[in-house]
Amino acid sequence: KNQVEQSPQSLIILEGKNCTLQCNYTVSPFSNLRWYKQDTGRGPVSLTIMTFSENTKSNGRYTATLDADTKQSSLHITASQLSDSASYICVVSALTSGTYKYIFGTGTRLKVLA
Amino acid sequence: NAGVTQTPKFQVLKTGQSMTLQCAQDMNHEYMSWYRQDPGMGLRLIHYSVGAGITDQGEVPNGYNVSRSTTEDFPLRLLSAAPSQTSVYFCASSYGDRAYGYTFGSGTRLTVV
Repeated sequence: KNQVEQSPQSLIILEGKNCTLQCNYTVSPFSNLRWYKQDTGRGPVSLTIMTFSENTKSNGRYTATLDADTKQSSLHITASQLSDSASYICVVSALTSGTYKYIFGTGTRLKVLA
Repeated sequence: NAGVTQTPKFQVLKTGQSMTLQCAQDMNHEYMSWYRQDPGMGLRLIHYSVGAGITDQGEVPNGYNVSRSTTEDFPLRLLSAAPSQTSVYFCASSYGDRAYGYTFGSGTRLTVV
């Protein structure tokens, strides 16, 4: 069964600190993996997208890594800011019979404190 | 560019009532989808469309209808609302196939009492 699991469920850090969010998946056949940021009361916004051949992708203070062998991805946030408080969702897509299927994780809720 | 616009933002329905959630995009995206987001669960696909006149079911289509008469609009209809349909609904669109990434609307919070 295609699944995407994220950890931790929630995380509280102090402003300025770094943190790493994890995403493990069992999705086949793998097409790409994305990280989204979802602010409270808003729709998800794409941060990064990685295909099978990409190991690392950065977007400002956000760096995503992908290990396709172990089927793990991480999202590292550097020098956190209050505005980083949000839910971070890992989404893995599979390409089956010419159709993309998206499997969403349940997200990690990050709270950055001043 | 407005992106993806959803209306209304909030709605309360009584069990058995029907309503339509509106979604419009101004990016000329071919692909449009409806998702629901429930606590403790990932977003789940309700219905999607790969172009005007073409729609298909996602993983949780029961109780919902869609149509796509224009590229811009993709309304979601609740036929007879049930408390189990209490959720936050997101419309999303993308250019080309869905691998290029979605642009999401800001959501509609629906409560069925």
